[in-house]
Amino acid sequence: AQSVTQLGSHVSVSEGALVLLRCNYSSSVPPYLFWYVQYPNQGLQLLLKYTSAATLVKGINGFEAEFKKSETSFHLTKPSAHMSDAAEYFCAVRGAFRSGGGADGLTFGKGTHLIIQP
Amino acid sequence: DVKVTQSSRYLVKRTGEKVFLECVQDMDHENMFWYRQDPGLGLRLIYFSYDVKMKEKGDIPEGYSVSREKKERFSLILESASTNQTSMYLCASSFPVNSPLHFGNGTRLTVT
Repeated sequence: AQSVTQLGSHVSVSEGALVLLRCNYSSSVPPYLFWYVQYPNQGLQLLLKYTSAATLVKGINGFEAEFKKSETSFHLTKPSAHMSDAAEYFCAVRGAFRSGGGADGLTFGKGTHLIIQP
Repeated sequence: DVKVTQSSRYLVKRTGEKVFLECVQDMDHENMFWYRQDPGLGLRLIYFSYDVKMKEKGDIPEGYSVSREKKERFSLILESASTNQTSMYLCASSFPVNSPLHFGNGTRLTVT
Protein backbone atom coordinates (compact mmCIF):
# COMPACT_ATOMS: atom_id res chain seq x y z
CA ALA A 1 0.00 0.00 0.00
CA GLN A 2 1.03 3.55 -0.59
CA SER A 3 1.27 6.24 2.05
CA VAL A 4 2.58 9.77 2.38
CA THR A 5 3.72 11.61 5.48
CA GLN A 6 4.12 15.36 5.46
CA LEU A 7 6.03 16.62 8.47
CA GLY A 8 4.47 19.72 9.93
CA SER A 9 0.87 20.71 9.38
CA HIS A 10 1.97 24.36 9.46
CA VAL A 11 5.29 25.88 8.38
CA SER A 12 6.07 29.55 8.82
CA VAL A 13 8.94 31.33 7.07
CA SER A 14 9.90 34.94 6.53
CA GLU A 15 9.59 36.52 3.12
CA GLY A 16 12.84 35.94 1.26
CA ALA A 17 13.81 32.92 3.35
CA LEU A 18 14.25 29.33 2.21
CA VAL A 19 11.10 27.24 2.00
CA LEU A 20 11.42 23.55 2.91
CA LEU A 21 8.35 21.31 3.02
CA ARG A 22 9.02 17.71 3.94
CA CYS A 23 7.45 14.62 2.41
CA ASN A 24 8.23 10.96 3.03
CA TYR A 25 6.50 8.16 1.22
CA SER A 26 6.11 4.43 1.17
CA SER A 27 5.18 2.55 -1.93
CA SER A 28 5.01 -1.10 -2.95
CA VAL A 29 5.77 -0.17 -6.55
CA PRO A 30 8.30 2.22 -8.13
CA PRO A 31 7.01 5.54 -6.93
CA TYR A 32 5.65 8.37 -9.00
CA LEU A 33 5.49 11.45 -6.83
CA PHE A 34 3.74 14.79 -7.09
CA TRP A 35 3.49 18.10 -5.29
CA TYR A 36 0.29 20.11 -5.54
CA VAL A 37 -0.59 23.58 -4.26
CA GLN A 38 -4.03 24.75 -3.20
CA TYR A 39 -4.88 28.42 -2.87
CA PRO A 40 -7.95 29.40 -0.81
CA ASN A 41 -11.26 28.35 -2.34
CA GLN A 42 -9.60 26.68 -5.29
CA GLY A 43 -8.82 23.20 -6.47
CA LEU A 44 -5.35 21.68 -6.51
CA GLN A 45 -2.75 22.81 -9.02
CA LEU A 46 0.21 20.67 -10.03
CA LEU A 47 3.57 22.12 -8.94
CA LEU A 48 5.85 19.33 -10.15
CA LYS A 49 6.12 15.59 -10.65
CA TYR A 50 8.75 12.87 -10.41
CA THR A 51 8.33 9.98 -12.83
CA SER A 52 11.70 8.16 -12.61
CA ALA A 53 13.74 10.47 -14.80
CA ALA A 54 15.99 13.11 -13.16
CA THR A 55 15.97 13.00 -9.37
CA LEU A 56 15.92 16.80 -9.09
CA VAL A 57 12.65 18.05 -10.46
CA LYS A 58 11.91 21.68 -11.24
CA GLY A 59 8.37 22.96 -11.10
CA ILE A 60 6.41 26.12 -11.48
CA ASN A 61 6.81 29.30 -9.40
CA GLY A 62 10.46 28.56 -8.59
CA PHE A 63 9.81 25.36 -6.64
CA GLU A 64 11.85 22.20 -6.95
CA ALA A 65 11.96 18.81 -5.26
CA GLU A 66 14.58 16.11 -4.95
CA PHE A 67 13.78 12.42 -4.99
CA LYS A 68 15.95 10.44 -2.57
CA LYS A 69 15.25 6.75 -2.78
CA SER A 70 17.48 5.83 0.17
CA GLU A 71 15.55 8.22 2.41
CA THR A 72 12.16 7.62 0.74
CA SER A 73 11.79 11.38 0.62
CA PHE A 74 10.60 13.98 -1.84
CA HIS A 75 11.04 17.32 -0.09
CA LEU A 76 9.88 20.55 -1.73
CA THR A 77 12.09 23.64 -1.65
CA LYS A 78 12.17 27.21 -2.88
CA PRO A 79 15.22 29.42 -2.31
CA SER A 80 13.33 32.62 -1.54
CA ALA A 81 9.77 32.74 -0.25
CA HIS A 82 7.28 35.24 -1.63
CA MET A 83 4.05 36.38 -0.04
CA SER A 84 2.14 34.80 -2.92
CA ASP A 85 3.47 31.36 -1.90
CA ALA A 86 1.15 31.27 1.10
CA ALA A 87 -1.09 28.26 0.46
CA GLU A 88 -1.69 24.61 1.32
CA TYR A 89 0.78 22.14 -0.18
CA PHE A 90 0.13 18.46 -0.75
CA CYS A 91 2.55 15.68 -1.52
CA ALA A 92 1.09 12.65 -3.32
CA VAL A 93 2.21 9.22 -4.52
CA ARG A 94 0.72 7.21 -7.34
CA GLY A 95 -1.23 4.14 -6.40
CA ALA A 96 -0.42 0.70 -7.68
CA PHE A 97 -2.33 -0.67 -10.62
CA ARG A 98 -5.36 -2.64 -9.63
CA SER A 99 -6.66 -5.68 -11.41
CA GLY A 100 -8.88 -4.74 -14.32
CA GLY A 101 -6.34 -2.42 -15.90
CA GLY A 102 -7.35 0.80 -14.25
CA ALA A 103 -4.90 3.05 -12.47
CA ASP A 104 -5.50 4.16 -8.93
CA GLY A 105 -5.80 7.76 -8.02
CA LEU A 106 -3.08 9.39 -6.02
CA THR A 107 -2.61 8.91 -2.28
CA PHE A 108 -2.18 12.31 -0.65
CA GLY A 109 -0.49 13.51 2.49
CA LYS A 110 -2.48 15.54 4.96
CA GLY A 111 -1.08 18.80 3.70
CA THR A 112 1.21 21.55 4.97
CA HIS A 113 -0.07 25.07 5.37
CA LEU A 114 2.71 27.48 4.39
CA ILE A 115 2.63 30.85 6.13
CA ILE A 116 4.81 33.70 4.91
CA GLN A 117 5.77 36.34 7.46
CA PRO A 118 6.42 39.82 6.06
CA ASP B 1 -5.52 23.90 -20.79
CA VAL B 2 -7.43 21.10 -19.16
CA LYS B 3 -10.70 22.19 -17.71
CA VAL B 4 -12.49 20.21 -15.02
CA THR B 5 -15.80 21.78 -14.11
CA GLN B 6 -17.82 21.00 -11.03
CA SER B 7 -21.39 22.15 -11.37
CA SER B 8 -21.75 23.76 -7.94
CA ARG B 9 -19.31 25.63 -5.71
CA TYR B 10 -21.58 25.51 -2.66
CA LEU B 11 -24.46 23.20 -1.78
CA VAL B 12 -26.62 22.97 1.34
CA LYS B 13 -28.72 19.84 1.74
CA ARG B 14 -30.81 18.27 4.47
CA THR B 15 -30.11 14.96 6.17
CA GLY B 16 -31.62 12.09 4.21
CA GLU B 17 -31.71 13.89 0.86
CA LYS B 18 -30.27 12.29 -2.24
CA VAL B 19 -27.46 14.50 -3.52
CA PHE B 20 -25.83 14.59 -6.94
CA LEU B 21 -22.44 16.20 -7.53
CA GLU B 22 -21.57 16.63 -11.18
CA CYS B 23 -18.18 16.86 -12.82
CA VAL B 24 -17.29 17.39 -16.48
CA GLN B 25 -13.85 17.37 -18.13
CA ASP B 26 -13.02 18.57 -21.61
CA MET B 27 -9.76 16.72 -22.36
CA ASP B 28 -11.01 13.26 -23.30
CA HIS B 29 -9.35 11.80 -20.19
CA GLU B 30 -9.97 8.14 -19.47
CA ASN B 31 -9.57 8.40 -15.70
CA MET B 32 -11.82 10.39 -13.40
CA PHE B 33 -11.79 10.59 -9.61
CA TRP B 34 -13.78 11.87 -6.66
CA TYR B 35 -11.99 12.92 -3.48
CA ARG B 36 -13.21 14.50 -0.30
CA GLN B 37 -11.04 16.98 1.57
CA ASP B 38 -11.30 17.54 5.31
CA PRO B 39 -9.08 19.67 7.57
CA GLY B 40 -6.24 17.65 9.01
CA LEU B 41 -7.08 14.61 6.88
CA GLY B 42 -5.94 15.75 3.45
CA LEU B 43 -7.64 14.27 0.41
CA ARG B 44 -9.19 10.84 0.51
CA LEU B 45 -10.25 8.90 -2.56
CA ILE B 46 -13.93 7.97 -2.69
CA TYR B 47 -14.34 6.39 -6.13
CA PHE B 48 -12.63 6.43 -9.47
CA SER B 49 -13.40 5.36 -13.00
CA TYR B 50 -11.04 4.39 -15.80
CA ASP B 51 -13.62 4.00 -18.53
CA VAL B 52 -17.27 4.63 -19.33
CA LYS B 53 -19.51 2.53 -17.08
CA MET B 54 -16.47 1.31 -15.14
CA LYS B 55 -15.97 2.25 -11.51
CA GLU B 56 -13.80 1.20 -8.62
CA LYS B 57 -13.97 1.90 -4.94
CA GLY B 58 -11.39 4.09 -3.39
CA ASP B 59 -10.51 4.27 0.28
CA ILE B 60 -13.80 5.62 1.67
CA PRO B 61 -16.69 4.56 -0.61
CA GLU B 62 -19.28 3.94 2.12
CA GLY B 63 -22.36 6.09 1.71
CA TYR B 64 -21.46 7.07 -1.87
CA SER B 65 -22.02 5.77 -5.36
CA VAL B 66 -20.95 7.04 -8.78
CA SER B 67 -22.13 7.08 -12.35
CA ARG B 68 -20.19 7.42 -15.57
CA GLU B 69 -22.47 7.16 -18.57
CA LYS B 70 -20.32 9.37 -20.80
CA LYS B 71 -16.57 9.72 -20.93
CA GLU B 72 -16.54 13.39 -20.01
CA ARG B 73 -18.95 13.22 -17.07
CA PHE B 74 -18.53 11.61 -13.66
CA SER B 75 -21.21 11.99 -11.03
CA LEU B 76 -20.95 11.39 -7.30
CA ILE B 77 -24.16 10.39 -5.54
CA LEU B 78 -24.93 10.56 -1.86
CA GLU B 79 -27.85 8.16 -1.53
CA SER B 80 -29.00 9.54 1.82
CA ALA B 81 -26.95 12.51 2.95
CA SER B 82 -25.69 12.59 6.51
CA THR B 83 -24.03 15.33 8.53
CA ASN B 84 -20.70 13.49 8.48
CA GLN B 85 -20.66 13.94 4.72
CA THR B 86 -20.28 17.70 5.13
CA SER B 87 -17.02 18.30 3.32
CA MET B 88 -15.22 19.73 0.30
CA TYR B 89 -15.56 17.41 -2.69
CA LEU B 90 -12.96 17.52 -5.44
CA CYS B 91 -13.24 15.96 -8.86
CA ALA B 92 -10.17 15.19 -10.96
CA SER B 93 -9.30 13.62 -14.29
CA SER B 94 -6.19 12.25 -15.98
CA PHE B 95 -4.83 10.16 -18.79
CA PRO B 96 -3.85 6.65 -17.76
CA VAL B 97 -0.60 5.57 -16.22
CA ASN B 98 1.25 8.01 -14.02
CA SER B 99 -0.19 11.17 -15.48
CA PRO B 100 -0.89 14.01 -13.07
CA LEU B 101 -4.43 14.67 -11.97
CA HIS B 102 -6.23 17.83 -13.03
CA PHE B 103 -8.64 19.13 -10.44
CA GLY B 104 -11.86 21.09 -10.48
CA ASN B 105 -12.40 23.95 -8.03
CA GLY B 106 -14.38 21.83 -5.63
CA THR B 107 -17.91 21.69 -4.24
CA ARG B 108 -18.36 22.60 -0.60
CA LEU B 109 -21.27 20.53 0.65
CA THR B 110 -23.01 21.23 3.93
CA VAL B 111 -25.52 18.71 5.24
CA THR B 112 -27.79 20.02 8.00
